[in-house]
Amino acid sequence: EPEVTQTPSHQVTQMGQEVILRCVPISNHLYFYWYRQILGQKVEFLVSFYNNEISEKSEIFDDQFSVERPDGSNFTLKIRSTKLEDSAMYFCASRTDREELFFGSGTQLSVL
Amino acid sequence: GESVGLHLPTLSVQEGDNSIINCAYSNSASDYFIWYKQESGKGPQFIIDIRSNMDKRQGQRVTVLLNKTVKHLSLQIAATQPGDSAVYFCAENSYNAGNMLTFGGGTRLMVKP
Repeated sequence: EPEVTQTPSHQVTQMGQEVILRCVPISNHLYFYWYRQILGQKVEFLVSFYNNEISEKSEIFDDQFSVERPDGSNFTLKIRSTKLEDSAMYFCASRTDREELFFGSGTQLSVL
Repeated sequence: GESVGLHLPTLSVQEGDNSIINCAYSNSASDYFIWYKQESGKGPQFIIDIRSNMDKRQGQRVTVLLNKTVKHLSLQIAATQPGDSAVYFCAENSYNAGNMLTFGGGTRLMVKP
């Protein structure tokens, strides 16, 4: 069964460092998303991406965040200068033109 | 403000019993609702969805009920099994909101053998 894959599963970084979280969406999907989940809290929308551009973003997705689809398979989330409060589980998701959203297993980001 | 929320943070049931997980939403513009299951260390997994023009939808062992009058959504799991133990999230979507999901706070379901 096709699935969304994310790497790495865990990422530890120092405050102020840049991190890149990587995702390979399901191959025939058209819409791509990043969500995050702070420990013990609900899943929060960050950004959606379609046709090689951002279609929606939340207040969380400030200038420190960026997304890119560098080739036909990868979808990345970059945090330019990490803060302690960026520590969370980051989920990538994708879908076709149907609404069912498929999530990856997440990258646990720890900012020290 | 608009929000999606859950009534019970933890639900403990006996194996074989039926489970009911509830969710309240306040965005009257929401037109699509989804239940997700999240097991420890994994991403949300789609369970079942329902559109606002329906009030009930059934899947395998699961039923979602939508009451638009009181803005209430529920997930019923029949014959709950230990493998059903997880956190369950409701989520809502509205094309007016740019077609992005808004998740509720989650309910932990614990199934006792």
